[in-house]
Amino acid sequence: KQEVTQIPAALSVPEGENLVLNCSFTDSAIYNLQWFRQDPGKGLTSLLLIQSSQREQTSGRLNASLDKSSGRSTLYIAASQPGDSATYLCAVLGAYKYIFGTGTRLKVLA
Amino acid sequence: DVKVTQSSRYLVKRTGEKVFLECVQDMDHENMFWYRQDPGLGLRLIYFSYDVKMKEKGDIPEGYSVSREKKERFSLILESASTNQTSMYLCASTSGGTEDSYNEQFFGPGTRLTVL
Repeated sequence: KQEVTQIPAALSVPEGENLVLNCSFTDSAIYNLQWFRQDPGKGLTSLLLIQSSQREQTSGRLNASLDKSSGRSTLYIAASQPGDSATYLCAVLGAYKYIFGTGTRLKVLA
Repeated sequence: DVKVTQSSRYLVKRTGEKVFLECVQDMDHENMFWYRQDPGLGLRLIYFSYDVKMKEKGDIPEGYSVSREKKERFSLILESASTNQTSMYLCASTSGGTEDSYNEQFFGPGTRLTVL
């Protein structure tokens, strides 16, 4: 059974820092991996999608990498800003179902 | 701009009531999903649909049913609401006929349901 873990569960950093969020999964037979952002009480906003054949994707200050063989993905946020404060979730797709991690709650201090 | 909409942001119902949550997407997506999100448990899949009139059980289907009469609309039904169904309900959709062609999953804003 696929399990997705995100470490750390919470993170507090000063503005301007570069940071890395981690996502690990137990079954490497995935079709894609997606990173989301969730603000309190809101739905999920898609940030990046990495297909299983890809190694990384970039969008602005965000870069996500995927290593299927080791069951890991990282989300790199460059030059963090207070507006980046949110919960970040990863989800892996296998057998028609997405399995989500429980998220990393990020707070960027001004 | 792609969009997934849900019929209500907040809903309060009584125990035993039949509850309908509606989700509409305007992206002509084949696949639609209903999740619930609870603190400490994350997102859990209730039901999904990969085509009109098709449905598949997710991980926690008990106490729920779904309907997909049109491609753009996916409804979640709580047959007899109970207090343990108090939760945030999230709808999502994605294109792609098979898993290896699935694209981004887009979410609606969520419905916060309280059952008293």
